[in-house]
Amino acid sequence: EVQLVQSGAEVKKPGATVKISCKVSGYTFTDYCMHWVQQAPGKGLEWMGLVDPEDDETMYAEKFQGRVTITADTSTDTSYMELSSLRSEDTAVYYCATTNYRIGRFDPWGQGTLVTVSS
Amino acid sequence: EIVLTQSPGTLSLSPGERATLSCRASQSVSSNYLAWYQQKPGQAPRLLIYGASSRATGIPDRFSGSGSGTDFTLTISRLEPEDFAVYYCQQYHTSPLTFGGGTKVEIK
Repeated sequence: EVQLVQSGAEVKKPGATVKISCKVSGYTFTDYCMHWVQQAPGKGLEWMGLVDPEDDETMYAEKFQGRVTITADTSTDTSYMELSSLRSEDTAVYYCATTNYRIGRFDPWGQGTLVTVSS
Repeated sequence: EIVLTQSPGTLSLSPGERATLSCRASQSVSSNYLAWYQQKPGQAPRLLIYGASSRATGIPDRFSGSGSGTDFTLTISRLEPEDFAVYYCQQYHTSPLTFGGGTKVEIK
């Protein structure tokens, strides 16, 4: 069974950096790309970017470019999403999700990680 | 960037009724690279439909997708109690990957 298990909730102050993990099991980590999606409270889904674990190539949405770093650790089958210069608008649930190509449909998804930015 | 517009924003229906959800793209989505997801409160989205009309593994056949180009539809033939949720469309024709704003299907 394919599983994506994310790290726990975080509370950060404005200006800080958060790093969330997504550990996969049930498939070969390098066979799929890993994406990260943001969902603000009561809002829709927004794609942040991806990493291809096979060659560490990344792509980022323009909105998050410069503040987000997505990585893949093939030794632990874990992807990380780091978001810096946090502001209150970054309070959201962050999901990891896989695609079979760099551009693809998301399936499956992690359970989500709530990040709260508050002074 | 391809903008996806979903309508209506909210659909109020009773169990057993038919639900028709619309997703319109600002430009053509080639090869029908359009997916639909269901999201329930406190849960991650779940893939329902990909390629505009193919059901994902384990998805009941009361869910169907149709459309091409810029106009796509998700139909739930007879609503079950567990189908009341928010539904999102997503295009994977080109980067950036984009989602529609969602349609909430609520119990009338």
